[in-house]
Amino acid sequence: EPEVTQTPSHQVTQMGQEVILRCVPISNHLYFYWYRQILGQKVEFLVSFYNNEISEKSEIFDDQFSVERPDGSNFTLKIRSTKLEDSAMYFCASRGGGGYGTDTQYFGPGTRLTVL
Amino acid sequence: RKEVEQDPGPFNVPEGATVAFNCTYSNSASQSFFWYRQDCRKEPKLLMSVYSSGNEDGRFTAQLNRASQYISLLIRDSKLSDSATYLCVVYNAGNMLTFGGGTRLMVKP
Repeated sequence: EPEVTQTPSHQVTQMGQEVILRCVPISNHLYFYWYRQILGQKVEFLVSFYNNEISEKSEIFDDQFSVERPDGSNFTLKIRSTKLEDSAMYFCASRGGGGYGTDTQYFGPGTRLTVL
Repeated sequence: RKEVEQDPGPFNVPEGATVAFNCTYSNSASQSFFWYRQDCRKEPKLLMSVYSSGNEDGRFTAQLNRASQYISLLIRDSKLSDSATYLCVVYNAGNMLTFGGGTRLMVKP
């Protein structure tokens, strides 16, 4: 069964450093997402991406964040200058197509980001 | 008011018990509704979609009441493997899922 994959599974970084989290969505999917979950809190939407551009973003997704689909298979989330409060589990998700709500979003296993 | 609200639990039940979770959502224009399951430190996984007519999948039954903006999940004959956090999830206008805080279920032998 096709699945979303994410690398690395755990990333430790120093405050102020840049990190890039990588995702490989399911191959024929058209919509891509990043969510985050701070330990003990709910899953929060960050950004959605379709047709090589951002379609929605939340208040969390400020200028420190960016997304890219560099090569047609990878989907990346970059945090330019990490803060302590960026420590969280970051989930990538993808879905096939059609109108919103008509397709399931499939989640990757997540990258645990620890900012020291 | 929180967009999607759930009782955090935990619900501690014996094997074989029936347990029900409830969820309310604030946006009356919400389009689609789901229950996801999340095991500790793992990704959310879709358990089932929720339709106005109600739907059942084995031991799991989901109901939606649009007038009351209320969603429920019933688990019959609980198994040890049902122990997890159950997430109520809503698809609003805009291309995103909105998650509730989750309800933790612990099924004990």
